[in-house]
Amino acid sequence: EAGVVQSPRYKIIEKKQPVAFWCNPISGHNTLYWYLQNLGQGPELLIRYENEEAVDDSQLPKDRFSAERLKGVDSTLKIQPAELGDSAVYLCASSPAGLAEQYFGPGTRLTVT
Amino acid sequence: ILNVEQSPQSLHVQEGDSTNFTCSFPSSNFYALHWYRWETAKSPEALFVMTLNGDEKKKGRISATLNTKEGYSYLYIKGSQPEDSATYLCACLLNDYKLSFGAGTTVTVRA
Repeated sequence: EAGVVQSPRYKIIEKKQPVAFWCNPISGHNTLYWYLQNLGQGPELLIRYENEEAVDDSQLPKDRFSAERLKGVDSTLKIQPAELGDSAVYLCASSPAGLAEQYFGPGTRLTVT
Repeated sequence: ILNVEQSPQSLHVQEGDSTNFTCSFPSSNFYALHWYRWETAKSPEALFVMTLNGDEKKKGRISATLNTKEGYSYLYIKGSQPEDSATYLCACLLNDYKLSFGAGTTVTVRA
């Protein structure tokens, strides 16, 4: 079974530029999560999808971050414009249901210069 | 945001030695406790999911216990090997679907 796929694995951009991350969850997993992990801290939830519906986006900084999961399968997380403080690892995870075990992708390491 | 704490932040273990470390969490509205192993440049790998007070889980040389009444979980590594070097994350899942992570314990096993 293929795992959660994320791309790119690494991204370096200048501040004020836009950036997008892509995630393809495990086939059949209805729930998809985006997490942000800063150095020395645990992952923090940005947004949770149930199929194509964003059911928890309370932690998503909506002034610059946006996400979509149009067909309820893969998802894109966008930052526009990026700031220096956005440098972090962005993790995507999926699960078959909301309270089930989550399976993580390898993450995208973003560096904003 | 749930306050999940892990200690120590990092530890060094001699190959062959056993070690353990702690995850503490508030015990109200508890649903499950997850342990993940995260090796550099790889995906976090699920080790255990525990839900009941007194649960004990084992996977090879790694085991974990759960005390939901006092709000802590221990993870044990028996006979550490270099491949055990990783960051071990615990996460507490409440019944509102939010998984709150600790900052992790980074284990380095010296040959």
